[in-house]
Amino acid sequence: GESVGLHLPTLSVQEGDNSIINCAYSNSASDYFIWYKQESGKGPQFIIDIRSNMDKRQGQRVTVLLNKTVKHLSLQIAATQPGDSAVYFCAENNNAGGTSYGKLTFGQGTILTVHP
Amino acid sequence: DGGITQSPKYLFRKEGQNVTLSCEQNLNHDAMYWYRQDPGQGLRLIYYSQIVNDFQKGDIAEGYSVSREKKESFPLTVTSAQKNPTAFYLCASSGQGSHTIYFGEGSWLTVV
Repeated sequence: GESVGLHLPTLSVQEGDNSIINCAYSNSASDYFIWYKQESGKGPQFIIDIRSNMDKRQGQRVTVLLNKTVKHLSLQIAATQPGDSAVYFCAENNNAGGTSYGKLTFGQGTILTVHP
Repeated sequence: DGGITQSPKYLFRKEGQNVTLSCEQNLNHDAMYWYRQDPGQGLRLIYYSQIVNDFQKGDIAEGYSVSREKKESFPLTVTSAQKNPTAFYLCASSGQGSHTIYFGEGSWLTVV
C-alpha cells in the first residue's frame, strides 16, 4: 500500500538554530497532512496540520510547507530549543470517500536532537 | 481534565494469555482508534471505530479484538493468536468530521 516516508531518520542541531524535518508521501490523493511530536515513552502530540489546498501554514515557531508537485512535506522549527528534542512524525489522510476522517498513515519518524 | 486515559501503563503477558488494554476518553469524540508502535517505527492502525457498536479492522488487526459498547470506551484485547505482541500501544480519538486525532499516553505490553 502507499505510505508516507522520511528522508532523514536523525537530525542534530544547536540550540537557537532553525530545524527542517522532511517527509515524502506517495499517495497523490491524500488531502490532509499532520505533524506530530513524540517524546520518549509518551503519546504523539499534535503540532500543526495543513490541507492539500494550501502550500504553507504557520504556527507558533513552526511552519509546515506542502509541495504537491513533488509530494513533499516539511516542518520548520524556528529557534530550536532543547525541549524540542523528540521524534517527529508526519501523517497523511485520504478522505476522498468521506468515511476516512482520522484514519492516518504515519511515516517512520525523524529523531531531532537539540544540543545546548 | 479532558483527555484520553490508557491503562495500565505497563503490562506483562505470559505466552498463551489474552490481555485487555483500557482506553477511556472524556472529549465526547465519536471516533476512536488503536495504533501499535514498535521500537524505532511509525504507528500502524489496528482497529478503529467511528460510532458506538461499530468498528472496522485497520492494517494489522490479526490477533486483536475490540468492542465499542460506550462512546467513551474502546478496549483492545491482545489475544494469544497475536504472535509478536510486545509493543507500545496507543489509543486515540477524533471528533466528528475531524481529520486530527489526539493520542493517549500509551501502554507498554511485554511478553514474558
